[in-house]
Amino acid sequence: ETGVTQSPTHLIKTRGQQVTLRCSSQSGHNTVSWYQQALGQGPQFIFQYYREEENGRGNFPPRFSGLQFPNYSSELNVNALELDDSALYLCASSLVGVGEQYFGPGTRLTVT
Amino acid sequence: AQSVTQLDSQVPVFEEAPVELRCNYSSSVSVYLFWYVQYPNQGLQLLLKYLSGSTLVKSINGFEAEFNKSQTSFHLRKPSVHISDTAEYFCAVSLNSGGSNYKLTFGKGTLLTVNP
Repeated sequence: ETGVTQSPTHLIKTRGQQVTLRCSSQSGHNTVSWYQQALGQGPQFIFQYYREEENGRGNFPPRFSGLQFPNYSSELNVNALELDDSALYLCASSLVGVGEQYFGPGTRLTVT
Repeated sequence: AQSVTQLDSQVPVFEEAPVELRCNYSSSVSVYLFWYVQYPNQGLQLLLKYLSGSTLVKSINGFEAEFNKSQTSFHLRKPSVHISDTAEYFCAVSLNSGGSNYKLTFGKGTLLTVNP
């Protein structure tokens, strides 16, 4: 069974740029959620995707957007990067209707 | 909206001592409860979950947690810790609402440091 994978591991961007982060779900899972974890904080829910549609969103502005593909992989896109966007971005997959989520290793984004 | 409070930001203990990491939650509806562990520079690993049934849940590496509905708590315990248990521990809650949106709401985490 393949776990959740994310790419890239690290990246550095400049304020105002755009970034795309990628996630592959655990085998058999059909729901993907994205979280932002700032340094020293717990993860914050960004949004969830199910059946290629956004299925719930946290308190994040529209410049945070996402996609889910037919194979259940997903992308997180962030436009007009700000310094406060520097964080660990975590992807989690699950089965719809089941409570627990399984996390990938994360992508560390640094905005300078 | 639900919320999670982890009462201790840091817990230092000596190896082989018992430990309790405290977690309280707030929700107006039924919830699922979780403990996740995060080792340095890694993602989150699911440690324990309470979905239904027995209020005492156990992990394979000796941790246990008890769901207390009246006190809205889900404290994590281990009778004897090892150096390798040093990590950040996060308590999380999701709504048991029957819908398809099971977002997790996390506490701020407790750093457990096990000293020799």
